[in-house]
Amino acid sequence: GDSVTQMEGPVTLSEEAFLTINCTYTATGYPSLFWYVQYPGEGLQLLLKATKADDKGSNKGFEATYRKETTSFHLEKGSVQVSDSAVYFCALSGNRDDKIIFGKGTRLHILP
Amino acid sequence: DAGVIQSPRHEVTEMGQEVTLRCKPISGHDYLFWYRQTMMRGLELLIYFNNNVPIDDSGMPEDRFSAKMPNASFSTLKIQPSEPRDSAVYFCASSLGAGGLGGTQYFGPGTRLTVL
Repeated sequence: GDSVTQMEGPVTLSEEAFLTINCTYTATGYPSLFWYVQYPGEGLQLLLKATKADDKGSNKGFEATYRKETTSFHLEKGSVQVSDSAVYFCALSGNRDDKIIFGKGTRLHILP
Repeated sequence: DAGVIQSPRHEVTEMGQEVTLRCKPISGHDYLFWYRQTMMRGLELLIYFNNNVPIDDSGMPEDRFSAKMPNASFSTLKIQPSEPRDSAVYFCASSLGAGGLGGTQYFGPGTRLTVL
């Protein structure tokens, strides 16, 4: 079945460092891909998404490119801030599916 | 827009008691999802509805759990009787359109349930 694998956390970086959180997926066809973020004490919220191969989703300085050839959707940010500390979830939805399959989440700590 | 509304935000109860969690989705959304989040098991999909009809309840852990959606603006998740292992944060989410078509799920703030 469809699945998402993302890097284990926690990830700890200093402010202004470059961030990469790896995500790979297994799915038939052309799924939609998502990154969600969960701040402490809150529900998940969409960070960005891409619905077809080679699309780049971007928001708040974060970006991820839908790579069909490597079945990946890695999250990147050039310069992280303390306020980016949160849990990040990679997710996918098959093109005939209603529901979204979430990865296990990666906890990110940014040190001032 | 008010977003997805959940109540109560916190619930503390004793083992064996009935617990009812409530959710009001975003107006106009046609999908509603119930999730459970714990440190051990992460985020689990329990059940989801499309146009008020339950589509997939395979994630409901056992018969003690039940969910209803009597109309487009209200859903409940009931646990009867509750057990300590049910302690978790329960999220409701809604979306316009299916995930496979890029439909974004909007999550509520969650209900933190503690069963003593």
